[in-house]
Amino acid sequence: EAQVTQNPRYLITVTGKKLTVTCSQNMNHEYMSWYRQDPGLGLRQIYYSMNVEVTDKGDVPEGYKVSRKEKRNFPLILESPSPNQTSLYFCASSLLGQEQFFGPGTRLTVL
Amino acid sequence: AQSVTQLDSQVPVFEEAPVELRCNYSSSVSVYLFWYVQYPNQGLQLLLKYLSGSTLVESINGFEAEFNKSQTSFHLRKPSVHISDTAEYFCAVSDLSDGGFKTIFGAGTRLFVKA
Repeated sequence: EAQVTQNPRYLITVTGKKLTVTCSQNMNHEYMSWYRQDPGLGLRQIYYSMNVEVTDKGDVPEGYKVSRKEKRNFPLILESPSPNQTSLYFCASSLLGQEQFFGPGTRLTVL
Repeated sequence: AQSVTQLDSQVPVFEEAPVELRCNYSSSVSVYLFWYVQYPNQGLQLLLKYLSGSTLVESINGFEAEFNKSQTSFHLRKPSVHISDTAEYFCAVSDLSDGGFKTIFGAGTRLFVKA
């Protein structure tokens, strides 16, 4: 089954404790992206990647890191999480210029 | 920089009535346009897309949207809504510029269909 998977689905952590949210797709898509969804703001792009070893900033990259060492994986790293990073996070993938396929979401709470 | 405006945050409508959800974007150079739908407690899924060609695009469940380059709009319409259409709808623009390929989403429109 074609899909985008994210782990964990739910995470409660404390300020400053490094965490990684994994994202994997099995559709051989070049393009992968991370978004955060906050009420009233829609989805905002954090980082995206157009291919292996090619990443670029979206609109809200501060406080986040990504890497794209393999085509299928695109982890999101929060080196020192803060409460303002409490949000619902979505990973997505697509062929370049086509519609994106979204993962189920990761609900992160930073205390 | 590209921006996407969804003019209505909430749209209440009675079942079987027509509905229009409005979307405007700021720049029409090398853009790809999408509408996504998010049902309660679920992820996003594609509703319809405009990449090129005919400016009127349709979905399998009766929605349609028209790309209007001069007005930089991509409004979503359905002639007769069902209770099951209750969801949040997001307009998105993918913008190929400056060597990158950002995607900008609107803030979303919550559609409430009442019996």
